[in-house]
Amino acid sequence: NAGVTQTPKFRILKIGQSMTLQCTQDMNHNYMYWYRQDPGMGLKLIYYSVGAGITDKGEVPNGYNVSRSTTEDFPLRLELAAPSQTSVYFCASSYTNRGRGDTEAFFGQGTRLTVV
Amino acid sequence: AQTVTQSQPEMSVQEAETVTLSCTYDTSESDYYLFWYKQPPSRQMILVIRQEAYKQQNATENRFSVNFQKAAKSFSLKISDSQLGDAAMYFCAFFIIQGAQKLVFGQGTRLTINP
Repeated sequence: NAGVTQTPKFRILKIGQSMTLQCTQDMNHNYMYWYRQDPGMGLKLIYYSVGAGITDKGEVPNGYNVSRSTTEDFPLRLELAAPSQTSVYFCASSYTNRGRGDTEAFFGQGTRLTVV
Repeated sequence: AQTVTQSQPEMSVQEAETVTLSCTYDTSESDYYLFWYKQPPSRQMILVIRQEAYKQQNATENRFSVNFQKAAKSFSLKISDSQLGDAAMYFCAFFIIQGAQKLVFGQGTRLTINP
């Protein structure tokens, strides 16, 4: 029962490098999200997806790109890394079952990214 | 736009006592959920409790309960009989049901438990 899996857990990038943070979920959730959490702060939404082939910007999308080719995978791409992108990144997925009055978001373990 | 405000950056409580964490939110939506998530030093996000907006009865999960005041847009978390393991960051979150489902977080409250 893997849930939401993010890789890598830690990464150090040099300014101007690019990388992709991987996220996969095995719960068949349509909704997926990428958040960043700066030290001592809450989670800010970068991008989200309502299903395969559909993505939309969140609160802080600049400097990032996403794609959603399958229900399971939602990678986050950083182009031209900058020190301001030093943060902890969380991927999440969610479901809603109105009949049961039930909803929940599940989170990955987070990726600590440092840009130097 | 939806916003969530947690006005207490830090709180502390003696072990075995009760503490209440505050949360207010702003929305024009009528159909939504509210959550409290706990984030221990491991960084894992753990669901503590959830509340449906159209349910008037306050949610309860063991030692955790909420005071949901829909008209006032207030959603506080009460932790009874505080334990050392309750020490963590606590985030209030708002979840829109209609259209594009988005989960919006507050800034968090760091809770310290004093032995």
